[in-house]
Amino acid sequence: GQNIDQPTEMTATEGAIVQINCTYQTSGFNGLFWYQQHAGEAPTFLSYNVLDGLEEKGRFSSFLSRSKGYSYLLLKELQMKDSASYLCAALDSNYQLIWGAGTKLIIKP
Amino acid sequence: GAVVSQHPSRVICKSGTSVKIECRSLDFQATTMFWYRQFPKQSLMLMATSNEGSKATYEQGVEKDKFLINHASLTLSTLTVTSAHPEDSSFYICSARVEDRENQPQHFGDGTRLSIL
Repeated sequence: GQNIDQPTEMTATEGAIVQINCTYQTSGFNGLFWYQQHAGEAPTFLSYNVLDGLEEKGRFSSFLSRSKGYSYLLLKELQMKDSASYLCAALDSNYQLIWGAGTKLIIKP
Repeated sequence: GAVVSQHPSRVICKSGTSVKIECRSLDFQATTMFWYRQFPKQSLMLMATSNEGSKATYEQGVEKDKFLINHASLTLSTLTVTSAHPEDSSFYICSARVEDRENQPQHFGDGTRLSIL
């Protein structure tokens, strides 16, 4: 079956760096998305990786290793407003989006 | 700014009522839109893919007669929850891709929180 695994919850300190991991098993692969979702709100797009390597966008970076079925989202210089759930989603061979359950990130002062 | 507009943002109504939720693409045409449901502390669950000018594609376990989808124009899809019951209370979210290519990100509406009393 198809599956996305990511930690349920993580805690980090304001100003620090945190890495949220995601592993996926899908039938075929056409890329991986990261979304941010604040409580009670809809998700917003953060990044898309289809090639191996690191994509950097300001304080947020996303990494992909296709051979390992692994991605991570790296958040630097954490701010309180980064407290949210982070959803990992992989596109399978049929371009069906397989969603992870999300990682709730708690930022402490 | 927002690329997908969803309305209403919140609905509270009595059991047995039918509720219509609208999803509009702003400044772009969307031949495909997606409808999701999300229960508290759970991830998104795709309910159906809405296709302009044709029938929606429903995911397994989603009742077509219960959740009516109409995608009559390239900028509007509607989801009607018919004869809603308390178990239908949830957060409903629509999305669309600005460019209709399958590897493009989905942009989400603000969601509709539906509460059935």
